[in-house]
Amino acid sequence: GAVVSQHPSWVICKSGTSVKIECRSLDFQATTMFWYRQFPKQSLMLMATSNEGSKATYEQGVEKDKFLINHASLTLSTLTVTSAHPEDSSFYICSAPLSGRVTDTQYFGPGTRLTVL
Amino acid sequence: AQKITQTQPGMFVQEKEAVTLDCTYDTSDPSYGLFWYKQPSSGEMIFLIYQGSYDQQNATEGRYSLNFQKARKSANLVISASQLGDSAMYFCAMRDRGSTLGRLYFGRGTQLTVWP
Repeated sequence: GAVVSQHPSWVICKSGTSVKIECRSLDFQATTMFWYRQFPKQSLMLMATSNEGSKATYEQGVEKDKFLINHASLTLSTLTVTSAHPEDSSFYICSAPLSGRVTDTQYFGPGTRLTVL
Repeated sequence: AQKITQTQPGMFVQEKEAVTLDCTYDTSDPSYGLFWYKQPSSGEMIFLIYQGSYDQQNATEGRYSLNFQKARKSANLVISASQLGDSAMYFCAMRDRGSTLGRLYFGRGTQLTVWP
């Protein structure tokens, strides 16, 4: 199947700093990528949809200025957590569909565990 | 309204037994896809099985099968001959033609524990 990589796999940072997480589709082009946040023992919560060449679409309640998303190319999307605080500590995971067809699954990155001290 | 409902927060099964994880969905679109993912403690999301709304037969992939009952809008995952490595969180998901840019709608998940 298709491969999506995510980097870093884990990061610890101090409160007030910014953290960038990269999501790459390795063997296919992804015009769309999705960013999720997940708390322990809970489901994936969609934060935003990243669109190549245009602005990201954020879900209600997600701060655009806090979680900056850039879809620089057909294989790379980045999520930057700006001025991180302890409450931003979470598991962040990206995904990319092969296409917009209902039959195509999404391929997920391995996730990034963010801990803000 | 919830598009995907998983009513079992936790399930327990003995090794080598079969287990069914429940999933019901809600959509008015006749064209949709249903997916099951496994998430072990490492966090990666592993795609298990897919069922299309127009598929005539239930999907099967190795020890995984999907009990698709369209009229009841249910898509239960059946794992046969459970193994210790099957212990994980399982998510049911759906996308339909109304899904913006192909997003998936996830259920809350079921934590499966396989005991020896």
